[in-house]
Amino acid sequence: DAGVTQSPTHLIKTRGQHVTLRCSPISGHKSVSWYQQVLGQGPQFIFQYYEKEERGRGNFPDRFSARQFPNYSSELNVNALLLGDSALYLCASSFNREALYGYTFGSGTRLTVV
Amino acid sequence: DAKTTQPPSMDCAEGRAANLPCNHSTISGNEYVYWYRQIHSQGPQYIIHGLKNNETNEMASLIITEDRKSSTLILPHATLRDTAVYYCIVLNSGGSNYKLTFGKGTLLTVNP
Repeated sequence: DAGVTQSPTHLIKTRGQHVTLRCSPISGHKSVSWYQQVLGQGPQFIFQYYEKEERGRGNFPDRFSARQFPNYSSELNVNALLLGDSALYLCASSFNREALYGYTFGSGTRLTVV
Repeated sequence: DAKTTQPPSMDCAEGRAANLPCNHSTISGNEYVYWYRQIHSQGPQYIIHGLKNNETNEMASLIITEDRKSSTLILPHATLRDTAVYYCIVLNSGGSNYKLTFGKGTLLTVNP
């Protein structure tokens, strides 16, 4: 079975531009979460979506938004990119919100803002 | 969620047991202890979790002290592929937000 897939794997954008990152969860998983990981730090929670509704939001500005589609895939959108948005963006899926047996992470999208 | 404290780095010889400590002195009764690891350039990987009893799976063992204020992740026979950052996370099972709060973790280096 395919794991969590994210696209693209790498991306270079210019300050002020907009970016869309995509995530396909493991088949049957209904929850998708997004994390940002800057170099040298642990991942930081951005959003959780479950059954197509936002169920949790981290301390990120409104430039960050996301949605989940009927097939449970998800998009993360970031507007007005700043240099500080350069990071590895990780998607994690689980069967339900509680993820008692852990989340499965993708390999991430490496975003570089220049 | 309770805060965790881990040593920034540890070394282990290949084939020996790696014992990674975690302090979570403010943990509350309904909070689980989770361990994830992150191998360079990959996403985090779930290892194991526990509430109050010791747990074992094919990857590792988790020892939680009786007062639940600390725990130890044990990799019984470390290999070079176990070199990674290991994160100890406390998660509230009854909350409304199931986010994982990662610290800086412990960089485990397994040496040949």
